[in-house]
Order: sequence, then C-alpha cells, then structure tokens
Amino acid sequence: AIRMTQSPSSFSASTGDRVTITCRASQGISSYLAWYQQKPGKAPKLLIYAASTLQSGVPSRFSGSGSGTDFTLTISCLQSEDFATYYCQQYYSYPVTFGPGTKVDIK
Amino acid sequence: QVQLQESGPGLVKPSETLSLTCTVSGYSISSGYYWGWIRQPPGKGLEWIGSIYHSGSTYYNPSLKSRVTISVDTSKNQFSLKLSSVTAADTAVYYCARDQAGAVDYWGQGTLVTVSS
Repeated sequence: AIRMTQSPSSFSASTGDRVTITCRASQGISSYLAWYQQKPGKAPKLLIYAASTLQSGVPSRFSGSGSGTDFTLTISCLQSEDFATYYCQQYYSYPVTFGPGTKVDIK
Repeated sequence: QVQLQESGPGLVKPSETLSLTCTVSGYSISSGYYWGWIRQPPGKGLEWIGSIYHSGSTYYNPSLKSRVTISVDTSKNQFSLKLSSVTAADTAVYYCARDQAGAVDYWGQGTLVTVSS
C-alpha cells in the first residue's frame, strides 16, 4: 500500500495567515490526490481533487499543487471557519490511503 | 442534493459481525459511481474499508479483506457493509460515501460502532 505522510502534524495560526500543509506519497501517484477538511464530530469535506481542482462550492482561498510524490495545500487567508484537521488521500491505486492529518488550531 | 445515511447497531459484541446499511437519496446508485465505506477510530485518522460499483464489482482494503463484504441493493438504493469477527480495534465511526473513482465527494454523517461485551 502507498504510505502518505503529512507535515506538520499540527500547528497554531492566526486569522488572516497564509498557511501551507505538505503531503508526501511513498511512491509516485501522478495527480491522484485529494484534500479533505474535517471538523470535530463531522464527516470530512472534500476540498480539492486531482491535486489542484477545487471542489464545487469550496472557497477560492484554498488551493492545491503538486504531482508525483510531493503535494501542498495552501489556505491564502485563514478564516475562523478554517480551523480544523486536514487530510490528504491518494487514489492512484488500491487500497486508497489517507495521510495522518494536520490539525490547524488558533494561536 | 445527494444524501447518505448510515444505519445499524451501535454496539456489537466481540467475535460477532458488524452490519451497517447506507441509504442513498437524491441519486440513483444504478446510475454510476463507486459507493464505499471509510472508518475512523476515536481520535484517530481515516481508514478506507472498501468500495462497490453499482454493477457489484468490489475493491477491499487488503488489511480487512478476509473479514469484509460490501454489497449493493439497487432496488432499495442502498449498499451495505459486513465486517466479521470484530474486536475492540474495530470500534470506530463508520462513514458511507460516494466515491468518484477515488475522491469522496459525498459522505454520510457517520455512525459510531462500539465493540464491547
């Protein structure tokens, strides 16, 4: 199975900050990568798929980039509703695997 | 508006079989897409369990494959999960989801299943 890692595992940020989360795959996955946001007690929400395609309805302050093994999720101007845990997921090959998550909390 | 809703027992005894059903509304399963199950142990990350296509083709996580069965009932617009020989390690929130060949665009609200005697 392809192993996904994320960095950092958690960090504190302030509203208005530009934040970047990194995801790395243990082998090349082309652009078969998705990003999800999860808030406590809620199901994950798809933000980005195909590494850089914004899901319908997701604010444009979210963006994704990368291909192969290294990917990033960027939030250009952090809003209060963005404090959450973010997961990357590869769907290049079965089994689909997720990263361990990055928790973004309030500084 | 596509909606998914999990149903099933919230408590299962060790060694027994966990059974959950996902009812889909707002979209016909027989129209396409994969339909899957993902779980999340309390305080931990996400684990993909498996997916089924409307035709019945299935893909399972090898770590669970020997214990998992996913089936679909297009007449009821439902799909189901069975996980046999459960242990405390199977305690988790179980989500059903619509899988657009990988990326999951619709999720159920999740249901907590506790394995305990």
